[in-house]
Amino acid sequence: DARVTQTPRDKVTEMGQEVTMRCQPILGHNTVFWYRQTMMQGLELLAYFRNRAPLDDSGMPKDRFSAEMPDATLATLKIQPSEPRDSAVYFCASGSLDTYNEQFFGPGTRLTVL
Amino acid sequence: GQSLEQPSEVTAVEGAIVQINCTYQTSGFYGLSWYQQHDGGAPTFLSYNALDGLEETGRFSSFLSRSDSYGYLLLQELQMKDSASYFCAVISGGYQKVTFGTGTKLQVIP
Repeated sequence: DARVTQTPRDKVTEMGQEVTMRCQPILGHNTVFWYRQTMMQGLELLAYFRNRAPLDDSGMPKDRFSAEMPDATLATLKIQPSEPRDSAVYFCASGSLDTYNEQFFGPGTRLTVL
Repeated sequence: GQSLEQPSEVTAVEGAIVQINCTYQTSGFYGLSWYQQHDGGAPTFLSYNALDGLEETGRFSSFLSRSDSYGYLLLQELQMKDSASYFCAVISGGYQKVTFGTGTKLQVIP
């Protein structure tokens, strides 16, 4: 049963600390997306990769956020330093070029910054 | 840029039919997807339309009119488990970027 996995599932941290979220896309998928979801802003696209190359990260605050794909099985999203306004659920999703219209979402990381 | 509009909330009776509309503005349009998200869960894919017309998948159907920049999701024979948020998402641009709408919260009542 292929699925996207994300770790950690929940993270509580203090303002100013570094946060790293990890995502393992479905094997064979070559497109990876990072989203942030809040009640106020809804589902926002932060960044996405194709074949490990970043295609668009215009939705991401560049001064504190960074996204990478060190290899085809791992995507990371880092926040440094974290702020209370970063509290949200962060979703990773993957897809393939054959079915780019369909994304498979991971369970999300619920981040709380105190 | 892209923009999408959906109603924020819809209430419907169990067994009935409900339609959730989505209008969009974008350049380089490829298609329109629909996703379902239950409270506390992750979005799951429901359907995709690239061409005008109706796509049917079981109790769910999705419609697209490219000339009107409009689509809708039709849910038939509503069940209590259909209570969830429904998002339309536009795929557009050279890199097939995906932009989600703000979501419609559907409440199914007995």
